[in-house]
Amino acid sequence: GESVGLHLPTLSVQEGDNSIINCAYSNSASDYFIWYKQESGKGPQFIIDIRSNMDKRQGQRVTVLLNKTVKHLSLQIAATQPGDSAVYFCAENPSRAGGTSYGKLTFGQGTILTVHP
Amino acid sequence: DTGVSQDPRHKITKRGQNVTFRCDPISEHNRLYWYRQTLGQGPEFLTYFQNEAQLEKSRLLSDRFSAERPKGSFSTLEIQRTEQGDSAMYLCASSSPGQQTGTQYFGPGTRLLVL
Repeated sequence: GESVGLHLPTLSVQEGDNSIINCAYSNSASDYFIWYKQESGKGPQFIIDIRSNMDKRQGQRVTVLLNKTVKHLSLQIAATQPGDSAVYFCAENPSRAGGTSYGKLTFGQGTILTVHP
Repeated sequence: DTGVSQDPRHKITKRGQNVTFRCDPISEHNRLYWYRQTLGQGPEFLTYFQNEAQLEKSRLLSDRFSAERPKGSFSTLEIQRTEQGDSAMYLCASSSPGQQTGTQYFGPGTRLLVL
């Protein structure tokens, strides 16, 4: 069935390096994508989102890139800090007939990011 | 704290017992979602409310599961005759009518262990 998946389950970086977390999706009907960060014992925290009519969106230290041709999504974190250590999930929000959406998010498996001081 | 709250945070029960979880969304958020998350996996959608109306239910939500949002504010998720396979983290999220439906704010979750 349709799914969202991640290429790499774990990523270790040094403090100050840039991190790139990748995600592949297969549902061409999805029109909205979101990255969430989940720390141990907590619920997912919204990081950044992107609509399907965009290919890049920047936030504070984070950038999301969307390549619809190959159905690929990435999250770039600049100057990674120890506090960025967490599990990162991409999620897609498929649109429904008529363009509405309930927000029935489909999450990928997650990438564990570990930042070493 | 004005975020999404869930109660209890942890629940241990014996197989066959009924359990009920509560979620209080962010004030004025009319959309409320329940997800289930098992270890090492992303959250899986269970059900969605807009105000008090339950508009969508996942096939994951068997007959033993029921969710309510009677006044369009807090919600409860009940699992009857719990099974060991129900052990998971149950997450609640809410979103505002002025935002994309995917911009959901999650609570800390209720971790259920069925013995």
